[in-house]
Amino acid sequence: LAKTTQPISMDSYEGQEVNITCSHNNIATNDYITWYQQFPSQGPRFIIQGYKTKVTNEVASLFIPADRKSSTLSLPRVSLSDTAVYYCLVGDANTNAGKSTFGDGTTLTVKP
Amino acid sequence: GAVVSQHPSWVICKSGTSVKIECRSLDFQATTMFWYRQFPKQSLMLMATSNEGSKATYEQGVEKDKFLINHASLTLSTLTVTSAHPEDSSFYICSARDLGTNTEAFFGQGTRLTVV
Repeated sequence: LAKTTQPISMDSYEGQEVNITCSHNNIATNDYITWYQQFPSQGPRFIIQGYKTKVTNEVASLFIPADRKSSTLSLPRVSLSDTAVYYCLVGDANTNAGKSTFGDGTTLTVKP
Repeated sequence: GAVVSQHPSWVICKSGTSVKIECRSLDFQATTMFWYRQFPKQSLMLMATSNEGSKATYEQGVEKDKFLINHASLTLSTLTVTSAHPEDSSFYICSARDLGTNTEAFFGQGTRLTVV
């Protein structure tokens, strides 16, 4: 499983766009990139997943450059409730059946 | 999306007793489930892979006789912490993936274990 590197923490203010970048230099051809959000005393919650280029859903966008060695999670107009830890994971969905190696994650603090 | 449910959400037990935590996939079948442990201010650490109908696979450093895993059906895996001690106090989380439709894993809400 490819190792990931994220900033330990980030601060933002309500209404701003937040971009969290994850490095995964050793990503394999079959690996997907998945982002999870975790609040204190809760299990991680799926945010978005992608393989290449750009993926967008109702809560976030995921930008993946052509070399796939990094990815950026974009949260538009954050609110106080977006304060959480965000994890970037890479892995082969077909063979790992959900087995995930978590890095340290990024603690996002949204201020009023 | 798929739902994974854990029970109980929290439990307090006396040192030396055993505690069972259940993980259920509510709307899909999971031949494989995963158990994680998370200490305060730390990331999730994979403990073991639970395989339906066969023995679990444990990560290095995790005692299989202390953390008993049973995956008796396609929708239920249990983790039993045997002879619990205060250092076993942690947040335990399970996950599973719906192999038929999704590529992302879904996580349970977690179980807070406190051993006193």
